[in-house]
Amino acid sequence: SSELTQDPAVSVALGQTVRITCQGDSLRSYYASWYQQKPGLAPVLVIYGKNNRPSGIPDRFSGSSSGNTASLTITGAQAEDEADYYCYYRDSSGTHVVFGGGTKLTVL
Amino acid sequence: EVQLVESGGGLVQPGRSLRLSCSGSGFSFGDYTMSWFRQAPGKGLEWVGFIRGKAYDGTTEYAASVRGRFTISRDDSQSIAYLQMDSLKTEDTAMYYCTRDRSGWERYDYYYIDVWGKGTTVTVSS
Repeated sequence: SSELTQDPAVSVALGQTVRITCQGDSLRSYYASWYQQKPGLAPVLVIYGKNNRPSGIPDRFSGSSSGNTASLTITGAQAEDEADYYCYYRDSSGTHVVFGGGTKLTVL
Repeated sequence: EVQLVESGGGLVQPGRSLRLSCSGSGFSFGDYTMSWFRQAPGKGLEWVGFIRGKAYDGTTEYAASVRGRFTISRDDSQSIAYLQMDSLKTEDTAMYYCTRDRSGWERYDYYYIDVWGKGTTVTVSS
């Protein structure tokens, strides 16, 4: 299956660490990328490849992968990290281009 | 500055057509695969389709939900990508985003979207 599964909602206390996961069989062969989306705005890339951050993304964001699960970890979550987070992958042929359903992160 | 700007959205009746444009600047437009994604109100992100760059002859791929109704094209001389939407349905109502796609390899292949436009809203309603 090319589907990606995410938990619909996750919460974290301010300053604590949170991991958002994304499961899918295709992730055994491809790295996912991660996007942050705040209300009314376009998504923003936060992690791509094995564990790469675009310029301007704080180093509290990191990515990892094991088996069929990709993870986005925020170490020391800040109030401004409250957003929806989506994982994504595309296969080499372009036959499968998939977003996970998204995880709503609440920072308490 | 690398930038994508979508235009052409609006209100359209079911069964009618609409063409969206995506104007790129700040990069060599023809070298990149350009994609369209959409997001229905209150819903997640959905891939619509993409068009490869000139190195791959501008070939296209589409999501099953739009294949046969939507067509993506590009004019690299103008740095514009188009999304022609025909036979529109109410379920096509969404914010439509244009994106620039990238790829890499680190033991595994990966593909990602490094630039997003701000989006243009399409509402299909009678």
